[in-house]
Amino acid sequence: GIQVEQSPPDLILQEGANSTLRCNFSDSVNNLQWFHQNPWGQLINLFYIPSGTKQNGRLSATTVATERYSLLYISSSQTTDSGVYFCAVKQGGKLIFGQGTELSVKP
Amino acid sequence: NAGVMQNPRHLVRRRGQEARLRCSPMKGHSHVYWYRQLPEEGLKFMVYLQKENIIDESGMPKERFSAEFPKEGPSILRIQQVVRGDSAAYFCASSPPGQAGRQFFGPGTRLTVL
Repeated sequence: GIQVEQSPPDLILQEGANSTLRCNFSDSVNNLQWFHQNPWGQLINLFYIPSGTKQNGRLSATTVATERYSLLYISSSQTTDSGVYFCAVKQGGKLIFGQGTELSVKP
Repeated sequence: NAGVMQNPRHLVRRRGQEARLRCSPMKGHSHVYWYRQLPEEGLKFMVYLQKENIIDESGMPKERFSAEFPKEGPSILRIQQVVRGDSAAYFCASSPPGQAGRQFFGPGTRLTVL
């Protein structure tokens, strides 16, 4: 099956800093999602991005399907950005999740 | 438009009891998925259902676990004779018809087995 790897596993930022999270996948995919799991455990959809670039406020994402990776950019980070960021790719009817990047933003 | 709803949000069971987790998909969504998140781990697929049909149960443990999505009412994930290793967060997701890759998640049910 498809392998999904995320890096880095952990990231500590000072408030206001920028960061890039990476998601590599082992096989061709036709869709990819990014999620944020907040400290209360809720999973929040960030992007549905099979290819190309999308932006939503301080967050943007780029997927290069031919090279099997996606990037999530967080600019001007805030403490509320803390939590775990997951990418997930579709295989059949199910999503295969990476292990996540745990982000901690310090005031 | 309400999101995916799950209840209960927290469930405590003693070893050997049964746990029933409910999920109501978003309005207009006909596909339901269940995922499990063990402590400090990512989410793992369990089962994919449409109304009255199990489409893919490749992630379900062979024993004690079952799932259904009846014609009327919510989807149910049932765990019989729970053990401590079943303690986890169980997430339900739903997707619109024809868009299985675009899934929206509920808040999860946190199961604790004493």
